[in-house]
Amino acid sequence: QKEVEQNSGPLSVPEGAIASLNCTYSDRVSQSFFWYRQYSGKSPELIMSIYSNGDKEDGRFTAQLNKASQYVSLLIRDSQPSDSATYLCAVNQAGTALIFGKGTTLSVSS
Amino acid sequence: DADVTQTPRNRITKTGKRIMLECSQTKGHDRMYWYRQDPGLGLRLIYYSFDVKDINKGEISDGYSVSRQAQAKFSLSLESAIPNQTALYFCATSDLRARAGGIATDTQYFGPGTRLTVL
Repeated sequence: QKEVEQNSGPLSVPEGAIASLNCTYSDRVSQSFFWYRQYSGKSPELIMSIYSNGDKEDGRFTAQLNKASQYVSLLIRDSQPSDSATYLCAVNQAGTALIFGKGTTLSVSS
Repeated sequence: DADVTQTPRNRITKTGKRIMLECSQTKGHDRMYWYRQDPGLGLRLIYYSFDVKDINKGEISDGYSVSRQAQAKFSLSLESAIPNQTALYFCATSDLRARAGGIATDTQYFGPGTRLTVL
């Protein structure tokens, strides 16, 4: 059974801090890794995708991938109250359906 | 206009009724998916289709059926709705693309969701 694990949270950080969200996956041959943000009652929205080991930065967001450790993370710098949401990690191999984690709830307090 | 649309957005029905949820997309993607989301359980895959002639069961297909009428349309049916099918349902689309280094990407884009309540 292929699995994607995330801490459910809630993860609470003050405004302006760095939020660190973590994800581990069981399938060693996974190739593509995604972070989605989902506000309550809304659909998941793609934030970042990463395919190679290392870091990928996009604005305040940085995705980090370590295939040897089967670990992917998302850092949110200068966290804002509007970042409060559930963050979903998803992985797949080429040509297969995405496998989602259950999500980590982030709360940013002002 | 939204690239992925779902109808209806909200539906309340009774046990035993047949329900159809519809998904349409203008993204030109070949691949389409149906998920349900329940509090604490995350997104669970019901069915997926990689092209018009391809239908695959997902993690939780029992009690559901699908129809891929065209590249742009993918419908989910509940033949006889039951209360534990009360959930938020999402349609998603994706397009398999080759990237450098031999990695293929398959980013999914979600519709706005349908909130279904079965009484």
